[in-house]
Amino acid sequence: SSELTQDPAVSVALGQTVRITCQGDNLRTYYPTWFQQKAGQAPILVIYPKNKRPSGIPARFSGSSSGNTASLTITGAQAEDEADYFCYSRDSSDNRVFGTGTKLSVL
Amino acid sequence: QVQLQQWGAGLLRASETLSLSCALKGGSFSGNYWSWFRQPPGRGLEWIGEIDQSGTTNYSPSLKSRLDISIDTSKMQFSLKLTSVTAADTAMYFCARSVTYYDMSTTMWGEWFDPWGQGTLVIVSS
Repeated sequence: SSELTQDPAVSVALGQTVRITCQGDNLRTYYPTWFQQKAGQAPILVIYPKNKRPSGIPARFSGSSSGNTASLTITGAQAEDEADYFCYSRDSSDNRVFGTGTKLSVL
Repeated sequence: QVQLQQWGAGLLRASETLSLSCALKGGSFSGNYWSWFRQPPGRGLEWIGEIDQSGTTNYSPSLKSRLDISIDTSKMQFSLKLTSVTAADTAMYFCARSVTYYDMSTTMWGEWFDPWGQGTLVIVSS
């Protein structure tokens, strides 16, 4: 199956903006989804298709896509945003694929 | 508010069968698939399989030969059985609701998983 590639780790200063990216061939034809996962907890949906936010997810989280790259942007990162972030999509063979994950540190 | 609560044995010996269940609270099974995932320690998420209200299943090709996902709508729960486990099956296991979306204007599909169960750590000792 195809991979969804993410940077392993990203850091951001408190209150600044950070972009987490996800690259995959099938992102041109399948909407990406984003999850946040804190240590020892279940994933939480933060962005779903067409870059929408579930209720309860702060407006500082936004999604965007361009070509084969999806992005999750946190505008004004907070300490509680420190977590792992995974993208998700399906590949050209319809296999369900999660991104390799990005560990976000808020400094 | 839809919630999922999961349970099952957390410590197994190699060759035994992993058995987990997930109870649906505050909603119904209709209109969605219900999925299982796992996450080995320090690693990423892996989709295991899914089931809908009628019992239609889809399984990960890599696990299909050992996998059985079932649903009991009268008890409002769905279950996972994975046979002949090895140390490689050691992971946190999660259940979740799957929602599929088709955008007619772009002919693109999308999918998301929400909510999730709290997770069950399964350790397989050799």
